[in-house]
Amino acid sequence: DAGVIQSPRHEVTEMGQEVTLRCKPISGHNSLFWYRQTMMRGLELLIYFNNNVPIDDSGMPEDRFSAKMPNASFSTLKIQPSEPRDSAVYFCASSPQTGDAFFGQGTRLTVV
Amino acid sequence: AQKVTQAQTEISVVEKEDVTLDCVYETRDTTYYLFWYKQPPSGELVFLIRRNSFDEQNEISGRYSWNFQKSTSSFNFTITASQVVDSAVYFCALSEHSQGAQKLVFGQGTRLTINP
Repeated sequence: DAGVIQSPRHEVTEMGQEVTLRCKPISGHNSLFWYRQTMMRGLELLIYFNNNVPIDDSGMPEDRFSAKMPNASFSTLKIQPSEPRDSAVYFCASSPQTGDAFFGQGTRLTVV
Repeated sequence: AQKVTQAQTEISVVEKEDVTLDCVYETRDTTYYLFWYKQPPSGELVFLIRRNSFDEQNEISGRYSWNFQKSTSSFNFTITASQVVDSAVYFCALSEHSQGAQKLVFGQGTRLTINP
């Protein structure tokens, strides 16, 4: 299996623009997570899905952030409008029902 | 609330030395899982180990070993005969099993530098 695939790997955008991050989980995994990593806050969970259904989005910073999982093989995290403080590495992870979470390589987002 | 503390922000040792990374956790759950992940300079997060709260047996995998002690709420990670390739940031994490998915709470990480 190719593992969790995230795109793009790097994204540079101007403040106010919409940003969409994409994730393809490992086939057969039914849980998907979006994490954000910053120097100040470390790794923090933004939202997770179980069987394509959002279960807990309490970590989403504000209404500018939204995530979807239209099917078992694809998820998006959207920021609209983006702000410089959104600059971070965004990780997607997937896991089987009670198994270990495997992470993608991350998307490094820079908002200027 | 769940919390993971990695008190060592940075550790630097010379190659071939043994090094232990500390991890202390807090949880009210009786069933939980503990993890270690490695983040090399390339940035990805690499899964190393998972331990459930009912299994306190120490684990050894090559040069890596883990010591889980519920009495002190610790899950420490030791690298024996360290190598330059072990240089990375290491994260300890605790899972909250919620509705079929495991939410991970991460420590702040320990940056390990192995000098030749």
